This record gives sequence, C-alpha cells and structure tokens, in this order.
Amino acid sequence: DARVTQTPRHKVTEMGQEVTMRCQPILGHNTVFWYRQTMMQGLELLAYFRNRAPLDDSGMPKDRFSAEMPDATLATLKIQPSEPRDSAVYFCASGRGQGTSYEQYFGPGTRLTVT
Amino acid sequence: AQSVTQPDIHITVSEGASLELRCNYSYGATPYLFWYVQSPGQGLQLLLKYFSGDTLVQGIKGFEAEFKRSQSSFNLRKPSVHWSDAAEYFCAVGTFMSGYNKLIFGAGTRLAVHP
Repeated sequence: DARVTQTPRHKVTEMGQEVTMRCQPILGHNTVFWYRQTMMQGLELLAYFRNRAPLDDSGMPKDRFSAEMPDATLATLKIQPSEPRDSAVYFCASGRGQGTSYEQYFGPGTRLTVT
Repeated sequence: AQSVTQPDIHITVSEGASLELRCNYSYGATPYLFWYVQSPGQGLQLLLKYFSGDTLVQGIKGFEAEFKRSQSSFNLRKPSVHWSDAAEYFCAVGTFMSGYNKLIFGAGTRLAVHP
C-alpha cells in the first residue's frame, strides 16, 4: 500500500530556530505539492514540484521559506528563522501530474508549533 | 476564476441517519471533481472522483457523489452514517493553472456524528 510519508509528525521549536520538514512521495509520482493548513486560512498551496524542479512557489513567504527536492525520493521544506505565525500543519502530497491526472495523495502532515 | 464553495461549515447527524454534504463549483470547462476526507490528526484521503461519464460516482467507505452540471454541484452522500465517519470533508476541483494541474479546495465541512 504505497503512501506519502512525512517526518517529523510533530515539531515544537522556539522562535528563530530553523525547521526542516521532510517528505517521501509515492514511488513513480513525479509531482510534489506542499500545503499549509490553519484554522483561519484552511489549506494553502505553498509550492509545487514536477520532476524535481520547482515550478511554482508563489504561495510561499520567500524571505524565510525554502523548498527543495534533492532527489526523487525526498522533498524538503525549510523555515529559517521560524516565527509563531508559522505554527500550522504542513502537508506534502504527490501525484502523477500528467494529462488529466489531478489526483493528489497526501501524507499525514507535520504539526509545527513555534513558541 | 475557479472556486469551490462548501456552504455548511459544520453538520451534525445521528448515527444511522443519511448524510448529504453540499459542494458548488465555479469552473468554465468540464470539471474534474473530488471529495477528500480528513480524520483528526491525519492527512487528506481521496474518497471519490468524477472525470466524465456516469454522473453518479461511487467511492470508498460507502460514499457516493452526484455531479449536476445544471446546478454546478457535486454533493456527497451516504445512506447511513457511522460514528467513524466523523471527520472533515473537502470538495475540490481540478484546474490547469500556472502551467500545471492543481486542486482548488473548498473550506471544508466538519461532520459530527451523535450516537
């Protein structure tokens, strides 16, 4: 049963610290999405990768957030420095992204708390 | 612009009762429509999808949804709700935007089930 994995599941950190979240997409999927979920804003798309290339990161605060995909099995989302307003659940999703394939498969999320 | 509206933020039903969750979309072409479910502390799981053909689609966990083009709706239904169905439900439309396939999500409907 193929699924997206994310680590860590929970992270508590102090303001100003660096946070790195990791995602392993489903094998064979060539697209990766990063989302942020909060009560106030709901699901927000932060970044999109296809074939490991970042094609859209317009939803991401550029000054402190960065997303990379060093290889096909690993996507990372980094926040440096972190702020209390970054507290949220961060989801990674993967998909095939070809033709009419819009389906995305979500990981369990990383719950981030910045104090 | 494409959008998805879920008019009900919270719904409460009794176990064993029928359920209908509403979803309205705004999309110029033939829509690709999805329902996802998010259990507490989990990621989003795909319940069902509509691409074309039969307007009544069956999904997992006994859910079904009906696409009505004239009403721009894609309502989710279940004939008899179980306590384990308590979760948040998201409707989404697939769109090709900024050069890639992406999902536009509704704000979600939180379902509570009374015993």
